[in-house]
Amino acid sequence: GQQLNQSPQSMFIQEGEDVSMNCTSSSIFNTWLWYKQDPGEGPVLLIALYKAGELTSNGRLTAQFGITRKDSFLNISASIPSDVGIYFCAGQPYSNTGNQFYFGTGTSLTVIP
Amino acid sequence: NAGVTQTPKFQVLKTGQSMTLQCAQDMNHEYMSWYRQDPGMGLRLIHYSVGAGITDQGEVPNGYNVSRSTTEDFPLRLLSAAPSQTSVYFCASSPLVTDTQYFGPGTRLTVL
Repeated sequence: GQQLNQSPQSMFIQEGEDVSMNCTSSSIFNTWLWYKQDPGEGPVLLIALYKAGELTSNGRLTAQFGITRKDSFLNISASIPSDVGIYFCAGQPYSNTGNQFYFGTGTSLTVIP
Repeated sequence: NAGVTQTPKFQVLKTGQSMTLQCAQDMNHEYMSWYRQDPGMGLRLIHYSVGAGITDQGEVPNGYNVSRSTTEDFPLRLLSAAPSQTSVYFCASSPLVTDTQYFGPGTRLTVL
């Protein structure tokens, strides 16, 4: 199946710091999505990106669809304790014939008050 | 709207037992899917459906069956549970195939 490499695997930061994480694929993607998952819950959509170069914000979150269409970035500014959770990237390949979204392995974020 | 609902929330099975994980959505979404989530592996697609009466296999379909008799419901059946099927299972839905998906709260399954 399609491989999405998400990094870093985990992050421990102080409250107020900015956070950056990224996701790369081996092939071109049509769509990039970023989800957050709290413990014991299902993933919740944060930001959706639909074209190369697109930069979209949702409050303190900003995500970008890479120009090469093989990567995406998520930034969180001025982190707060409720930002704790696992962040997943997901995407739909350009050559997708299986109506399938592929997910990264997640970035676990811990915010230290 | 309740969104995407899943039952049960927790389940313990013995090897060889069968069971059905329930998923329902009240948003009239055409596309529904089942994922399993294992540590360090993200979410992997098991089966999906693009509408009532239509289902197809995802990345890891072996050991699971699905059916879609109505738009609202998309149950996942484990025919003969194995310890390798211990995982957290998520159901998701979206209006169309290319739309972003909304996830249910998950079912945590343990197979002994």
